[in-house]
Amino acid sequence: NAGVTQTPKFQVLKTGQSMTLQCAQDMNHNSMYWYRQDPGMGLRLIYYSASEGTTDKGEVPNGYNVSRLNKREFSLRLESAAPSQTSVYFCASSGGASKNIQYFGAGTRLSVL
Amino acid sequence: QKEVEQNSGPLSVPEGAIASLNCTYSDRGSQSFFWYRQYSGKSPELIMFIYSNGDKEDGRFTAQLNKASQYVSLLIRDSQPSDSATYLCAVSGRVTGGGNKLTFGTGTQLKVEL
Repeated sequence: NAGVTQTPKFQVLKTGQSMTLQCAQDMNHNSMYWYRQDPGMGLRLIYYSASEGTTDKGEVPNGYNVSRLNKREFSLRLESAAPSQTSVYFCASSGGASKNIQYFGAGTRLSVL
Repeated sequence: QKEVEQNSGPLSVPEGAIASLNCTYSDRGSQSFFWYRQYSGKSPELIMFIYSNGDKEDGRFTAQLNKASQYVSLLIRDSQPSDSATYLCAVSGRVTGGGNKLTFGTGTQLKVEL
């Protein structure tokens, strides 16, 4: 099992460009999450999807959109990237017998110039 | 006041010693508490979780929870250089319709010295 897979691993964008970060899990989890991690700020929740067909804002949703494509996939889109969105982005999922435990992907390192 | 607070460190301990990592939280309704370990440049991985007051032990790791004091701690016995990492405390709140929103502290950097 791969667990939680994120693509791409690295990305450099220019200000104003758009891109979509992809996340897929193979653990049959109901819930999925997107976080960003910045130095000194810890992990902050951007958006989450408690179950297929639902999405909700987290702590820092401005400048982002999400799509829960199906039970496996949860994508994060930056419509017009800004330097303030330079960060490391982590996708996580939870569900099944250990429904309260979140499992993380390897992360995407994004630089916006 | 931050919702989950941790001392950023670095906390330095000699090899073989006990490392004690602490975390306080502000939401009295919190029900689940987690410790994640994060190596530099890597993703967080779960070390321990605890739901009830008291201690929970797993190998060299012990999580302690005191809900009255809103305090969670992680003890690492016989610390090894491979334990050198940042330890993230996370506290959960319920999500309508399922899921489990986690609020993370900023992490404590642990250095185990030879």
